[in-house]
Amino acid sequence: GAGVSQSPSNKVTEKGKDVELRCDPISGHTALYWYRQSLGQGLEFLIYFQGNSAPDKSGLPSDRFSAERTGGSVSTLTIQRTQQEDSAVYLCASSPRGGAGHNEQFFGPGTRLTVL
Amino acid sequence: DAKTTQPNSMESNEEEPVHLPCNHSTISGTDYIHWYRQLPSQGPEYVIHGLTSNVNNRMASLAIAEDRKSSTLILHRATLRDAAVYYCILIVDTGRRALTFGSGTRLQVQP
Repeated sequence: GAGVSQSPSNKVTEKGKDVELRCDPISGHTALYWYRQSLGQGLEFLIYFQGNSAPDKSGLPSDRFSAERTGGSVSTLTIQRTQQEDSAVYLCASSPRGGAGHNEQFFGPGTRLTVL
Repeated sequence: DAKTTQPNSMESNEEEPVHLPCNHSTISGTDYIHWYRQLPSQGPEYVIHGLTSNVNNRMASLAIAEDRKSSTLILHRATLRDAAVYYCILIVDTGRRALTFGSGTRLQVQP
């Protein structure tokens, strides 16, 4: 079946421009996560959506970052006034909500963002 | 979150079993042990998880020590496609359950 998809796969932008990254989660998954991974680094949590609940934005590094999830499905991560330190791979993951401990996360291929 | 400790790297030969260890001496009773892997230039991929009992799935087996302070991911027959960084993480089954990866174990598989 279809997995998590992300677009674009690569994005090169100039410092100061805004960018939008899109994530299509697996159909029926109620949980959606955004992470970023810098070159050779571990995974950094950004934001979490669960159903109709208010998102957990505690991982967003600054107010230049925002995300929304429309209709409980597609999500868009927006970075305003991009900076060079925003360069990273942005990963989206979705998860079904099942029984205890059943929180396997399915990742998309990521969007590689390069800010010049 | 409780921390895990893994060797930085391991090597294996193709078609041989691989045992990837993970220490988590400060694990709490509500922590689930999860393993993910990340192939080069790809997003992380779920491998397996467990709480107390050993677990098997199509990808691997997870052996959990009786005191739960360590676990071992077992790949029964390594293939070249198994070359990846393997992450052992603990997740409490409440709240956002976000993943936090440490440095993991880089597995090299020789033909």
